[in-house]
Amino acid sequence: GEQVEQLPSILRVQEGSSASINCTYENSASNYFPWYKQEPGENPKLIIDIRSNMERKQTQGLIVLLDKKAKRFSLHITDTQPGDSAMYFCAASATYQGGRALIFGTGTTVSVSP
Amino acid sequence: GGIITQTPKFLIGQEGQKLTLKCQQNFNHDTMYWYRQDSGKGLRLIYYSITENDLQKGDLSEGYDASREKKSSFSLTVTSAQKNEMAVFLCASSMGDWVYEQYFGPGTRLTVL
Repeated sequence: GEQVEQLPSILRVQEGSSASINCTYENSASNYFPWYKQEPGENPKLIIDIRSNMERKQTQGLIVLLDKKAKRFSLHITDTQPGDSAMYFCAASATYQGGRALIFGTGTTVSVSP
Repeated sequence: GGIITQTPKFLIGQEGQKLTLKCQQNFNHDTMYWYRQDSGKGLRLIYYSITENDLQKGDLSEGYDASREKKSSFSLTVTSAQKNEMAVFLCASSMGDWVYEQYFGPGTRLTVL
């Protein structure tokens, strides 16, 4: 089936620096790209999303970029804080028989050190 | 706000055993999902359902059955548990189809002895 590749799998940064996660997808028909954050022992929660009619979206220290030509999208966490330490998942919309759903990347563990 | 409840929180089974996981949501969401989360492999879609009594296969449906008994509940059955299997099963729901935010439950952690 279709896949979403997510890199890196582990990202260690210093507090105050920025962190970037990159994802690539296969299906040019994908048009919705959410990002989820999962803190230890918690369930994943949506933090930002972007649709194919946009190239950039920004909210509360998070920036998402979408390059449809390259089938690539990325999450940039600016001015990282210890509270940003978590697992991050990207996802892309996909068509299944009978409907549509999301394909998730394999996740990036972000660790922010003081 | 609403909540998604998954039971049990921990499930320990024997090889070959049939095991059922349950999920309830009170968001009044139309669509519900079951994902499997393995370490290093992200979230993989097992089944989803866009309305009561509807069932759609994901990438990982082999070895599983699911049932959307009513709008608020979606159950998943592991038809024959595999020895040494260990994973977290996450249930999620959304208002419509995938274009809406998915809300996840706390998960059921499965261990097969």
